[in-house]
Amino acid sequence: RKEVEQDPGPFNVPEGATVAFNCTYSNSASQSFFWYRQDCRKEPKLLMSVYSSGNEDGRFTAQLNRASQYISLLIRDSKLSDSATYLCSSGGAGNKLTFGGGTRVLVKP
Amino acid sequence: EAQVTQNPRYLITVTGKKLTVTCSQNMNHEYMSWYRQDPGLGLRQIYYSMNVEVTDKGDVPEGYKVSRKEKRNFPLILESPSPNQTSLYFCASSTPTAYNEQFFGPGTRLTVL
Repeated sequence: RKEVEQDPGPFNVPEGATVAFNCTYSNSASQSFFWYRQDCRKEPKLLMSVYSSGNEDGRFTAQLNRASQYISLLIRDSKLSDSATYLCSSGGAGNKLTFGGGTRVLVKP
Repeated sequence: EAQVTQNPRYLITVTGKKLTVTCSQNMNHEYMSWYRQDPGLGLRQIYYSMNVEVTDKGDVPEGYKVSRKEKRNFPLILESPSPNQTSLYFCASSTPTAYNEQFFGPGTRLTVL
C-alpha cells in the first residue's frame, strides 16, 4: 500500500459547482499535511497547509481526520482556473516527505 | 525575487554519460530535496539535505548522488544515466521549522536514450 494515496480522477466539475476529494495516509506518525496545486508539468505550488483539524482560505477548505487518516480538500464555486492537479503531502519523523499521486480536476463551462 | 532555480531545464542524453543538474535557492533555506515525477507514480523523493554536508536518502536514491557543500546549492548527479531515469525532476527547498512547505524549482525534463 502506498504511504499517501489519492484518487487520480479526473473530477469533471461544472463551473460554479463544489468538488471535494480525499487523500489517505498510512503513517500514523505523520505530523503535517499540505495541499499543493500543480499545473500541467509545471512545479507544484503550495495551496494550503493542514496543521490541526482544518484550514479555510477563500473558496478552499482543507480538513484533517486523524482517526481515519485522511485529509480532504473542498473547492466551492469552482472557476475554470481551478483546473489543475492537486497533490497532497505528509511529513513526519525523519524529515522524509511523501506525496500522493495527485488528483486531477477539470472545471468545465 | 525569492526563487529556486534549476539548470538545465531540458536535457537529452545517452546512456552512461555522466550529468549534473544544478539547483540553487536564494532564500537561505536549510532544507533542500530532489524529487522525480513520473506518470502514475507521482512525486517521489530522491535525496534530501537538512543542511550543509548533511544529506540522506529518500525513497528512490538508486542511481543518484547529491552533495551539499554550500547552503544555497544542491546538485543532483547521475554518474551513469539509464533510460529508466528519464523523468521530470524537481528541486525544492524549505526552512526546517516548516520543512513541509516546499518551494519548488521549475523542473528539469531529462530524457536518457
